[in-house]
Amino acid sequence: DGGITQSPKYLFRKEGQNVTLSCEQNLNHDAMYWYRQDPGQGLRLIYYSQIVNDFQKGDIAEGYSVSREKKESFPLTVTSAQKNPTAFYLCASSHLFGTSTDTQYFGPGTRLTVL
Amino acid sequence: AQSVTQPDIHITVSEGASLELRCNYSYGATPYLFWYVQSPGQGLQLLLKYFSGDTLVQGIKGFEAEFKRSQSSFNLRKPSVHWSDAAEYFCAVGARDDKIIFGKGTRLHILP
Repeated sequence: DGGITQSPKYLFRKEGQNVTLSCEQNLNHDAMYWYRQDPGQGLRLIYYSQIVNDFQKGDIAEGYSVSREKKESFPLTVTSAQKNPTAFYLCASSHLFGTSTDTQYFGPGTRLTVL
Repeated sequence: AQSVTQPDIHITVSEGASLELRCNYSYGATPYLFWYVQSPGQGLQLLLKYFSGDTLVQGIKGFEAEFKRSQSSFNLRKPSVHWSDAAEYFCAVGARDDKIIFGKGTRLHILP
């Protein structure tokens, strides 16, 4: 089955540690996205990538980093510089960047808790 | 810049009753509009989308939405809700070749 996988489902981190969230898709989509979800805040865009080896900052990129070395993979690193990292993180992909073609398809999410 | 507002944070309806979730958008041209649903602890699933054409859009799970340009609205409706419809619903708006902006969501509660 085609889809998007995120791992792990739950992640605990001590303050001061970096942590990497995995996102893999086998939909052959060019574009991939990372969102952060907090209660009552909806989804906020952290980073997006339109194509391999290219990515751009979203609305709340501070304290996060990404890479896009392979088309199917878009890992997100939450660094110690992120002041309030406890949240639910969602990865998405779409055939092409933008909204004029296919819509975004979402993974099941990773819940990160800082202890 | 485009934006989307979902005025209701929580909505409670009885099972079998009709449902309407409100969504208002702000955008200068014809927007691209979406409704997504999220079950607790899960990712988002697309219910329906409007790009152009017929302003009444049919989606999955018996949902529909109507685009009203004069009111800048894209309300989601269902004639008879089921207990399994309890979830959080997100309206989203986007522009061609741009990012999608999500509303803050409406949580739907179903009374037995």
